[in-house]
Amino acid sequence: SAVISQKPSRDICQRGTSLTIQCQVDSQVTMMFWYRQQPGQSLTLIATANQGSEATYESGFVIDKFPISRPNLTFSTLTVSNMSPEDSSIYLCSVGGPSLGEQYFGPGTRLTVT
Amino acid sequence: RKEVEQDPGPFNVPEGATVAFNCTYSNSASQSFFWYRQDCRKEPKLLMSVYSSGNEDGRFTAQLNRASQYISLLIRDSKLSDSATYLCVVPHSGTYKYIFGTGTRLKVLA
Repeated sequence: SAVISQKPSRDICQRGTSLTIQCQVDSQVTMMFWYRQQPGQSLTLIATANQGSEATYESGFVIDKFPISRPNLTFSTLTVSNMSPEDSSIYLCSVGGPSLGEQYFGPGTRLTVT
Repeated sequence: RKEVEQDPGPFNVPEGATVAFNCTYSNSASQSFFWYRQDCRKEPKLLMSVYSSGNEDGRFTAQLNRASQYISLLIRDSKLSDSATYLCVVPHSGTYKYIFGTGTRLKVLA
């Protein structure tokens, strides 16, 4: 199984600022995924990050608000830009596993915007 | 109809009880389904896959009812450690993406 780490694990940020979340995987993977989990809600896919190409964003998410980098096959970053309290959430990165439907998730970044 | 729907619970059951919860899905073409477990303040982890008729792993049984478009998760002899949120996951038709249900919260009481 893949081991995924995320930094920071949590942060409290002021409205209007930006936060970059890092995701590191212990093996090379083609696709990495970024999810958001708002309080009491399930996971919502923000975007898919492929190495060497632009990230693919889901409906409701735009690059200006959530720019993503994928400089190599083991690393990705998600930036939450110009934050507002509505961005308070847990942000998780994930990679696919060897079996259909299997995904490994990072421990998440708990973001609070004041 | 939502693509994936779950009863949020919580289901409060005593230790040793049998508990079951369902997940309904809207896409009749879906072929595979998954149950994930998410502990409080932790990331989700794959619990079971469900193809065709169902799957059993120890105390856990997952079943599929295609006619009514739902999958179920049955937990026998509940343990305190089973307390968690159980997420139903369905692949998005024709893509590599997955749709997560909102989860069913289970509390096993001593």
